[in-house]
Amino acid sequence: DAGVTQSPTHLIKTRGQQVTLRCSPKSGHDTVSWYQQALGQGPQFIFQYYEEEERQRGNFPDRFSGHQFPNYSSELNVNALLLGDSALYLCASSPILAGERYEQFFGPGTRLTVL
Amino acid sequence: GDSVTQMEGPVTLSEEAFLTINCTYTATGYPSLFWYVQYPGEGLQLLLKATKADDKGSNKGFEATYRKETTSFHLEKGSVQVSDSAVYFCALSIYNFNKFYFGSGTKLNVKP
Repeated sequence: DAGVTQSPTHLIKTRGQQVTLRCSPKSGHDTVSWYQQALGQGPQFIFQYYEEEERQRGNFPDRFSGHQFPNYSSELNVNALLLGDSALYLCASSPILAGERYEQFFGPGTRLTVL
Repeated sequence: GDSVTQMEGPVTLSEEAFLTINCTYTATGYPSLFWYVQYPGEGLQLLLKATKADDKGSNKGFEATYRKETTSFHLEKGSVQVSDSAVYFCALSIYNFNKFYFGSGTKLNVKP
């Protein structure tokens, strides 16, 4: 059973550019969340997608946007990159199970470096 | 608001020493609590979880008890190994939400 996969593994961009990161959720999962993990910090929630809609959003500017496809995979787009956007971007997937507590399964992340 | 506070590191121990990493939380709802581990160059892996007060999560010799009265979820292990060297994150999730709040992480170094 494949876990959460992310691509690319590493990415180098320059300030002002745009980037797209991709995530495929674990089999059987239909919800995808994205997190930003700056060096030496804990992950910060960006947003969550379910049924192809953004359901929740953290404290991130509109430069950060996303999309979920019918097969539940997801993309994270960041426009007008800033040096401060350099971080590990983590994707996590989970099932929607009504009436239960559930945890997220994380992918290995995409390391974005903005020069 | 919802947040997690965990002890700052790094924590350096000798092999077979006892480990405690403190974690306290603030939650507007009734949270589930988690410990995640991140090995160098890897993503986060779930270590253990507890979904209600007084539950004890355990895995690979690690334990943590959900203490509602002290809003704490401290991680413990009786005898650490070099292979336990990693960064440990405490996290909470509010019921019916997938959004997680993570602590800043505690780096553990275990020396032979």
